[in-house]
Amino acid sequence: AQSVAQPEDQVNVAEGNPLTVKCTYSVSGNPYLFWYVQYPNRGLQFLLKYITGDNLVKGSYGFEAEFNKSQTSFHLKKPSALVSDSALYFCAVRPYGNNRLAFGKGNQVVVIP
Amino acid sequence: ETGVTQSPTHLIKTRGQQVTLRCSSQSGHNTVSWYQQALGQGPQFIFQYYREEENGRGNFPPRFSGLQFPNYSSELNVNALELDDSALYLCASSLDRQGGGYTFGSGTRLTVV
Repeated sequence: AQSVAQPEDQVNVAEGNPLTVKCTYSVSGNPYLFWYVQYPNRGLQFLLKYITGDNLVKGSYGFEAEFNKSQTSFHLKKPSALVSDSALYFCAVRPYGNNRLAFGKGNQVVVIP
Repeated sequence: ETGVTQSPTHLIKTRGQQVTLRCSSQSGHNTVSWYQQALGQGPQFIFQYYREEENGRGNFPPRFSGLQFPNYSSELNVNALELDDSALYLCASSLDRQGGGYTFGSGTRLTVV
């Protein structure tokens, strides 16, 4: 069975500083990896995905993520955080050939003005 | 292009009652998946519907059931509601059963009292 670990409950970062949200996964076979963001009382908003190809994936709103197969990680990054980036971030994995996403517990990101 | 629409946005039910939640998939998408997100947790896969047939189910009891209609919209039905069923229920549509991306709706917040 697939699983995702997001080890930090909350990530605090000053506005303008680099933001990193960590994710490691466990899956059989080749993974499809996703990052979603959730604002209060809202659904999940897609940021980016890794299917195959380049390990560095660029997504929406200036976010990017790096797939590292040897470390089974898919950390989310943004070079310069904005206050509006404060939200709940979820990493998810789906094995190739499987139809269900497994989510981590989420990371609350707080960007301090 | 319309996104995923869920209704109602909020509802309150009494333990033991039954509830029906609705989802209209994104235009062109033929697959709908349902997820339950309990407070402070990541979403958990309930089941998926593809062309009106159930196509995979998570670890949820049979009192959770669903339907998909010819226009690919979907319903989630929960019988004999329990307090632990209180959660945000998310619908996600995709182009096919193993789509590279999922579009999520804003969810239905169900409170069972």
